[in-house]
Amino acid sequence: EAGVAQSPRYKIIEKRQSVAFWCNPISGHATLYWYQQILGQGPKLLIQFQNNGVVDDSQLPKDRFSAERLKGVDSTLKIQPAKLEDSAVYLCASSRGVENEKLFFGSGTQLSVL
Amino acid sequence: AQSVTQPDIHITVSEGASLELRCNYSYGATPYLFWYVQSPGQGLQLLLKYFSGDTLVQGIKGFEAEFKRSQSSFNLRKPSVHWSDAAEYFCAVGARAAGNKLTFGGGTRVLVKP
Repeated sequence: EAGVAQSPRYKIIEKRQSVAFWCNPISGHATLYWYQQILGQGPKLLIQFQNNGVVDDSQLPKDRFSAERLKGVDSTLKIQPAKLEDSAVYLCASSRGVENEKLFFGSGTQLSVL
Repeated sequence: AQSVTQPDIHITVSEGASLELRCNYSYGATPYLFWYVQSPGQGLQLLLKYFSGDTLVQGIKGFEAEFKRSQSSFNLRKPSVHWSDAAEYFCAVGARAAGNKLTFGGGTRVLVKP
């Protein structure tokens, strides 16, 4: 089966610019997660979707970050405007939503904000 | 709130030697515990998981982990390390009460000497 697809693979922008990341989860997976992984740290959950509804966005900096999953399939994460501290790898993961089933992770998008 | 601590940031081990990575968690209810591995430029791959039952869990690539409730630990072990095991390892805790989201530790980077 195809894995979690993310694009772009790399992105370099200047601070105050905007950027968007795309994720296509594994087919049939109801739950989708966006994680932020800063260099040298573990991934931190930004937002969790169940189908097209938000389950948890408590750690999403809503003044600059937004995410959507309009049709309950693929998802877009946007940052506007970007700050230097947003430099990180943004990982998308998905699961069927069954209790504590493992998450399948994409390869991530590496963002550098200059 | 759940949290995970991985006390060792870096570990260097000789090829063929044994490896143990430490993980301590904090969670008020019954935790579900995971170990993921991340190779450079790759997404996170699940090594093993513990939900209930036997406290010694076998995973892929010859890894195993032992859940010790009294010590709030879930240490990862491998009897004989191969050069291909050089990677970053993340311990994570999740629970249904938290919407199945995972909280990750900071990671341990493993270097393998020939």
